[in-house]
Amino acid sequence: QKEVEQDPGPLSVPEGAIVSLNCTYSNSAFQYFMWYRQYSRKGPELLMYTYSSGNKEDGRFTAQVDKSSKYISLFIRDSQPSDSATYLCAMSARAGSARQLTFGSGTQLTVLP
Amino acid sequence: EAQVTQNPRYLITVTGKKLTVTCSQNMNHEYMSWYRQDPGLGLRQIYYSMNVEVTDKGDVPEGYKVSRKEKRNFPLILESPSPNQTSLYFCASSRPGPEQYFGPGTRLTVT
Repeated sequence: QKEVEQDPGPLSVPEGAIVSLNCTYSNSAFQYFMWYRQYSRKGPELLMYTYSSGNKEDGRFTAQVDKSSKYISLFIRDSQPSDSATYLCAMSARAGSARQLTFGSGTQLTVLP
Repeated sequence: EAQVTQNPRYLITVTGKKLTVTCSQNMNHEYMSWYRQDPGLGLRQIYYSMNVEVTDKGDVPEGYKVSRKEKRNFPLILESPSPNQTSLYFCASSRPGPEQYFGPGTRLTVT
């Protein structure tokens, strides 16, 4: 079983929809939770970063972490065609190590105009 | 502009022919890593480095070598490439902390 599971999609939604992306994990030591966005033919870039449980909001994006269920989510409100990308969740047990991140396999999202 | 650069961006080679993929960052980051990305498997770490002359294995190090002689450069070496190393490779750099800065990727095909 993978440490981090992520539904690969693809997920296709109309413009303006609310998008929910999710990951589950098995390692209870994970404390740092991230969402990376990867556009086609580009490297991933950090979108959201959360420590421990709770919610974090940044504009149209909200990240949620439920450590008791080992479940994290990314919500995108008022989705735009420019949000079309692959979204990767990533997790780490420690913040200060280069042996840092365990990634999900990514969910491919298309927002249709 | 702060960035991580990789070269080449695309490479087609044959089994057994040694190759090097270069990676350079201009952000003075201590940490650098190499990942490979395969469909359904996500990003998997190959090697990482916490500073000059300090490197260690990631999740999938077999068949790869790295060196860190300068802080800004972290080349990935495939001494005898095989078809199962066909993949999309990313170099990343960071300071201590969760955010990594990724390069644009190198698509490698080994025939």
